Amino acid sequence: RKEVEQDPGPFNVPEGATVAFNCTYSNSASQSFFWYRQDCRKEPKLLMSVYSSGNEDGRFTAQLNRASQYISLLIRDSKLSDSATYLCVVIRYSGGSYIPTFGRGTSLIVHP
Amino acid sequence: DTGVSQDPRHKITKRGQNVTFRCDPISEHNRLYWYRQTLGQGPEFLTYFQNEAQLEKSRLLSDRFSAERPKGSFSTLEIQRTEQGDSAMYLCASSSNRGLGETQYFGPGTRLLVL
Repeated sequence: RKEVEQDPGPFNVPEGATVAFNCTYSNSASQSFFWYRQDCRKEPKLLMSVYSSGNEDGRFTAQLNRASQYISLLIRDSKLSDSATYLCVVIRYSGGSYIPTFGRGTSLIVHP
Repeated sequence: DTGVSQDPRHKITKRGQNVTFRCDPISEHNRLYWYRQTLGQGPEFLTYFQNEAQLEKSRLLSDRFSAERPKGSFSTLEIQRTEQGDSAMYLCASSSNRGLGETQYFGPGTRLLVL
């Protein structure tokens, strides 16, 4: 089993739709969680951190479920410009080292 | 532009040649990371530095891969005796040391093609 798993999609949704992605992780020692957005042939850019209490930034909501070991990203009122790949990253400490692990990403296509 | 920069942006080389990539992090960031990304996959963590110390290198793909950050500022990633399977995007990211909740900022990447 991969340490971090995401459904690659694509998720194909109309403008205005609400869409949710999940990202599961296998190592219970994981301590920090983030969502990144990556446009085609561009570098990943931070979308938001994921806090235990959940957090919201405009149309985006991120949540963490430690018991079930997954994080989620909810996008409300989808825009065409939301079309991108959404990457989750899970960070843990191991042997004094800092180990970030990215999922493979979930592709979102928002159509008119 | 005060973001992370990488050089070159593109590199085409022949199998068996050595290549070296450079990364300049955001100036006040003391952590620097190298990743490899292939098509359809997320970035694969290779190694990271805190200042000039390389704290994790077990994820480097083989002994052909090495990284340095001699003065705690810019870093280089070298691949010796390149193979076609090394063709990928090599990404660098930097962050500041503020515990676990830190944000990594990525450079534009170096796209390597090994012929």
